Amino acid sequence: AQKVTQAQTEISVVEKEDVTLDCVYETRDTTYYLFWYKQPPSGELVFLIRRNSFDEQNEISGRYSWNFQKSTSSFNFTITASQVVDSAVYFCALSENKRETSGSRLTFGEGTQLTVNP
Amino acid sequence: DVKVTQSSRYLVKRTGEKVFLECVQDMDHENMFWYRQDPGLGLRLIYFSYDVKMKEKGDIPEGYSVSREKKERFSLILESASTNQTSMYLCASSYEFGETQYFGPGTRLLVL
Repeated sequence: AQKVTQAQTEISVVEKEDVTLDCVYETRDTTYYLFWYKQPPSGELVFLIRRNSFDEQNEISGRYSWNFQKSTSSFNFTITASQVVDSAVYFCALSENKRETSGSRLTFGEGTQLTVNP
Repeated sequence: DVKVTQSSRYLVKRTGEKVFLECVQDMDHENMFWYRQDPGLGLRLIYFSYDVKMKEKGDIPEGYSVSREKKERFSLILESASTNQTSMYLCASSYEFGETQYFGPGTRLLVL
Protein backbone atom coordinates (compact mmCIF):
# COMPACT_ATOMS: atom_id res chain seq x y z
CA ALA A 1 0.00 0.00 0.00
CA GLN A 2 1.14 3.52 -0.68
CA LYS A 3 1.87 5.89 2.13
CA VAL A 4 3.01 9.49 2.49
CA THR A 5 4.40 10.77 5.77
CA GLN A 6 4.78 14.39 6.72
CA ALA A 7 6.31 14.14 10.15
CA GLN A 8 6.10 17.86 10.89
CA THR A 9 2.58 18.68 12.00
CA GLU A 10 3.27 22.36 12.62
CA ILE A 11 6.17 24.67 11.92
CA SER A 12 6.46 28.27 13.04
CA VAL A 13 9.12 30.63 11.67
CA VAL A 14 9.84 34.32 11.57
CA GLU A 15 9.61 36.15 8.28
CA LYS A 16 12.70 35.87 6.05
CA GLU A 17 13.78 32.58 7.57
CA ASP A 18 14.24 29.58 5.30
CA VAL A 19 12.05 26.59 6.07
CA THR A 20 12.04 23.00 4.82
CA LEU A 21 8.97 20.80 4.83
CA ASP A 22 9.71 17.09 4.85
CA CYS A 23 7.92 14.41 2.88
CA VAL A 24 8.71 10.69 2.90
CA TYR A 25 6.79 8.23 0.77
CA GLU A 26 6.37 4.48 0.33
CA THR A 27 5.35 2.73 -2.85
CA ARG A 28 6.03 -0.50 -4.71
CA ASP A 29 5.34 1.10 -8.07
CA THR A 30 8.31 1.93 -10.27
CA THR A 31 6.35 4.64 -12.04
CA TYR A 32 4.76 7.24 -9.84
CA TYR A 33 4.28 10.95 -9.44
CA LEU A 34 4.81 13.23 -6.48
CA PHE A 35 3.02 16.48 -5.81
CA TRP A 36 2.96 19.39 -3.42
CA TYR A 37 -0.16 21.43 -2.75
CA LYS A 38 -0.72 24.54 -0.69
CA GLN A 39 -3.96 25.09 1.25
CA PRO A 40 -4.36 28.69 2.46
CA PRO A 41 -7.02 29.56 5.07
CA SER A 42 -9.61 29.97 2.29
CA GLY A 43 -9.54 26.18 1.91
CA GLU A 44 -8.79 25.61 -1.76
CA LEU A 45 -5.85 23.32 -2.55
CA VAL A 46 -3.43 25.08 -4.88
CA PHE A 47 -1.13 22.96 -7.02
CA LEU A 48 2.58 23.76 -6.64
CA ILE A 49 4.60 21.05 -8.35
CA ARG A 50 4.44 17.62 -9.98
CA ARG A 51 7.47 15.36 -10.32
CA ASN A 52 7.68 11.94 -11.97
CA SER A 53 9.70 9.08 -10.52
CA PHE A 54 12.25 9.13 -13.33
CA ASP A 55 13.24 12.74 -12.90
CA GLU A 56 15.40 13.31 -9.86
CA GLN A 57 16.52 16.77 -10.80
CA ASN A 58 15.88 19.36 -8.17
CA GLU A 59 13.58 22.18 -9.12
CA ILE A 60 13.54 25.84 -8.22
CA SER A 61 10.70 28.24 -8.78
CA GLY A 62 11.30 31.65 -7.29
CA ARG A 63 11.56 31.24 -3.53
CA TYR A 64 10.40 27.62 -3.73
CA SER A 65 12.65 24.63 -4.30
CA TRP A 66 12.15 20.90 -4.18
CA ASN A 67 14.62 18.12 -3.46
CA PHE A 68 13.66 14.67 -4.75
CA GLN A 69 15.82 11.73 -3.59
CA LYS A 70 14.69 8.25 -4.60
CA SER A 71 17.41 6.66 -2.45
CA THR A 72 15.71 7.95 0.68
CA SER A 73 12.16 8.11 -0.76
CA SER A 74 11.92 11.77 0.08
CA PHE A 75 10.53 14.80 -1.69
CA ASN A 76 11.28 17.82 0.49
CA PHE A 77 10.09 21.36 -0.08
CA THR A 78 12.06 24.46 0.90
CA ILE A 79 10.81 28.02 1.06
CA THR A 80 13.58 30.58 1.04
CA ALA A 81 13.11 33.94 2.74
CA SER A 82 9.64 33.04 3.96
CA GLN A 83 6.83 35.59 3.92
CA VAL A 84 3.62 35.93 5.91
CA VAL A 85 1.65 34.99 2.78
CA ASP A 86 3.34 31.59 2.83
CA SER A 87 1.33 30.71 5.94
CA ALA A 88 -0.80 27.72 4.95
CA VAL A 89 -1.11 23.98 5.23
CA TYR A 90 1.14 22.18 2.77
CA PHE A 91 0.37 18.70 1.51
CA CYS A 92 2.64 16.21 -0.15
CA ALA A 93 0.92 13.58 -2.31
CA LEU A 94 1.77 10.44 -4.27
CA SER A 95 -0.02 9.27 -7.39
CA GLU A 96 -0.83 5.60 -7.69
CA ASN A 97 -0.14 3.68 -10.88
CA LYS A 98 -3.59 2.48 -11.79
CA ARG A 99 -3.43 2.33 -15.54
CA GLU A 100 -6.31 -0.08 -15.97
CA THR A 101 -8.77 2.57 -14.92
CA SER A 102 -6.63 5.66 -15.36
CA GLY A 103 -7.89 6.57 -11.94
CA SER A 104 -4.75 8.41 -10.92
CA ARG A 105 -5.55 8.19 -7.24
CA LEU A 106 -3.63 10.48 -4.94
CA THR A 107 -2.43 9.45 -1.52
CA PHE A 108 -1.94 12.50 0.68
CA GLY A 109 0.23 13.10 3.69
CA GLU A 110 -1.47 14.62 6.70
CA GLY A 111 -0.13 18.06 5.94
CA THR A 112 2.19 20.53 7.64
CA GLN A 113 0.78 23.75 9.05
CA LEU A 114 3.31 26.49 8.34
CA THR A 115 2.96 29.77 10.21
CA VAL A 116 5.20 32.65 9.20
CA ASN A 117 5.24 35.41 11.79
CA PRO A 118 6.09 39.02 10.95
CA ASP B 1 -6.87 28.19 -16.58
CA VAL B 2 -8.43 25.07 -15.14
CA LYS B 3 -11.55 25.82 -13.20
CA VAL B 4 -13.30 23.50 -10.79
CA THR B 5 -16.38 24.90 -9.11
CA GLN B 6 -18.47 23.56 -6.27
CA SER B 7 -22.10 24.49 -5.76
CA SER B 8 -21.77 25.80 -2.21
CA ARG B 9 -18.97 27.06 0.04
CA TYR B 10 -20.97 26.51 3.22
CA LEU B 11 -23.93 24.23 3.86
CA VAL B 12 -25.95 23.48 6.98
CA LYS B 13 -28.24 20.44 6.98
CA ARG B 14 -30.18 18.42 9.50
CA THR B 15 -29.65 14.77 10.36
CA GLY B 16 -31.54 12.53 7.97
CA GLU B 17 -31.71 15.03 5.12
CA LYS B 18 -30.59 14.07 1.62
CA VAL B 19 -27.68 16.27 0.59
CA PHE B 20 -26.34 16.95 -2.90
CA LEU B 21 -22.90 18.41 -3.47
CA GLU B 22 -22.23 19.43 -7.05
CA CYS B 23 -18.90 19.80 -8.79
CA VAL B 24 -18.28 21.12 -12.29
CA GLN B 25 -15.03 21.31 -14.24
CA ASP B 26 -14.49 23.14 -17.49
CA MET B 27 -11.35 21.44 -18.84
CA ASP B 28 -12.81 18.29 -20.40
CA HIS B 29 -11.04 16.16 -17.79
CA GLU B 30 -11.65 12.41 -17.76
CA ASN B 31 -11.23 11.88 -14.05
CA MET B 32 -13.13 13.46 -11.18
CA PHE B 33 -12.77 12.88 -7.45
CA TRP B 34 -14.48 13.58 -4.16
CA TYR B 35 -12.47 13.87 -0.95
CA ARG B 36 -13.30 14.77 2.58
CA GLN B 37 -10.86 16.56 4.84
CA ASP B 38 -10.90 16.29 8.60
CA PRO B 39 -8.42 17.60 11.20
CA GLY B 40 -5.77 15.02 11.96
CA LEU B 41 -6.93 12.70 9.17
CA GLY B 42 -5.83 14.63 6.10
CA LEU B 43 -7.66 14.13 2.81
CA ARG B 44 -9.45 10.88 2.23
CA LEU B 45 -10.88 9.71 -1.07
CA ILE B 46 -14.60 8.97 -1.06
CA TYR B 47 -15.31 8.13 -4.70
CA PHE B 48 -13.84 8.80 -8.09
CA SER B 49 -14.97 8.55 -11.68
CA TYR B 50 -12.83 7.95 -14.75
CA ASP B 51 -15.57 8.32 -17.33
CA VAL B 52 -19.22 9.26 -17.69
CA LYS B 53 -21.42 6.85 -15.73
CA MET B 54 -18.32 5.09 -14.38
CA LYS B 55 -17.42 5.25 -10.70
CA GLU B 56 -15.16 3.55 -8.24
CA LYS B 57 -15.15 3.48 -4.48
CA GLY B 58 -12.38 5.23 -2.68
CA ASP B 59 -11.25 4.62 0.86
CA ILE B 60 -14.38 5.77 2.72
CA PRO B 61 -17.46 5.32 0.49
CA GLU B 62 -19.87 4.29 3.25
CA GLY B 63 -22.80 6.64 3.56
CA TYR B 64 -22.13 8.26 0.19
CA SER B 65 -23.06 7.75 -3.43
CA VAL B 66 -22.09 9.58 -6.60
CA SER B 67 -23.47 10.41 -10.00
CA ARG B 68 -21.73 11.33 -13.22
CA GLU B 69 -24.25 11.79 -16.01
CA LYS B 70 -22.15 14.33 -17.91
CA LYS B 71 -18.39 14.53 -18.28
CA GLU B 72 -18.09 17.93 -16.66
CA ARG B 73 -20.26 17.26 -13.62
CA PHE B 74 -19.72 14.95 -10.65
CA SER B 75 -22.20 14.89 -7.80
CA LEU B 76 -21.74 13.57 -4.29
CA ILE B 77 -24.90 12.43 -2.53
CA LEU B 78 -25.43 11.88 1.17
CA GLU B 79 -28.56 9.76 1.22
CA SER B 80 -29.30 10.42 4.90
CA ALA B 81 -26.92 12.92 6.43
CA SER B 82 -25.43 12.15 9.83
CA THR B 83 -23.45 14.30 12.22
CA ASN B 84 -20.26 12.34 11.52
CA GLN B 85 -20.44 13.58 7.94
CA THR B 86 -19.76 17.11 9.09
CA SER B 87 -16.59 17.90 7.18
CA MET B 88 -14.88 19.81 4.42
CA TYR B 89 -15.62 18.26 1.01
CA LEU B 90 -13.23 18.83 -1.85
CA CYS B 91 -13.79 17.99 -5.49
CA ALA B 92 -10.94 17.55 -7.98
CA SER B 93 -10.42 16.68 -11.61
CA SER B 94 -7.53 15.50 -13.78
CA TYR B 95 -6.97 14.70 -17.42
CA GLU B 96 -5.43 11.24 -17.09
CA PHE B 97 -3.12 9.07 -15.03
CA GLY B 98 -0.26 10.95 -13.47
CA GLU B 99 -1.63 14.31 -14.42
CA THR B 100 -2.22 16.97 -11.85
CA GLN B 101 -5.48 17.00 -9.93
CA TYR B 102 -7.04 20.45 -9.75
CA PHE B 103 -9.25 21.21 -6.81
CA GLY B 104 -12.37 23.23 -6.27
CA PRO B 105 -12.76 25.68 -3.39
CA GLY B 106 -14.37 23.14 -1.09
CA THR B 107 -17.73 22.88 0.68
CA ARG B 108 -17.85 23.08 4.45
CA LEU B 109 -20.82 20.94 5.47
CA LEU B 110 -22.30 21.07 8.94
CA VAL B 111 -24.86 18.41 9.84
CA LEU B 112 -26.90 19.24 12.94
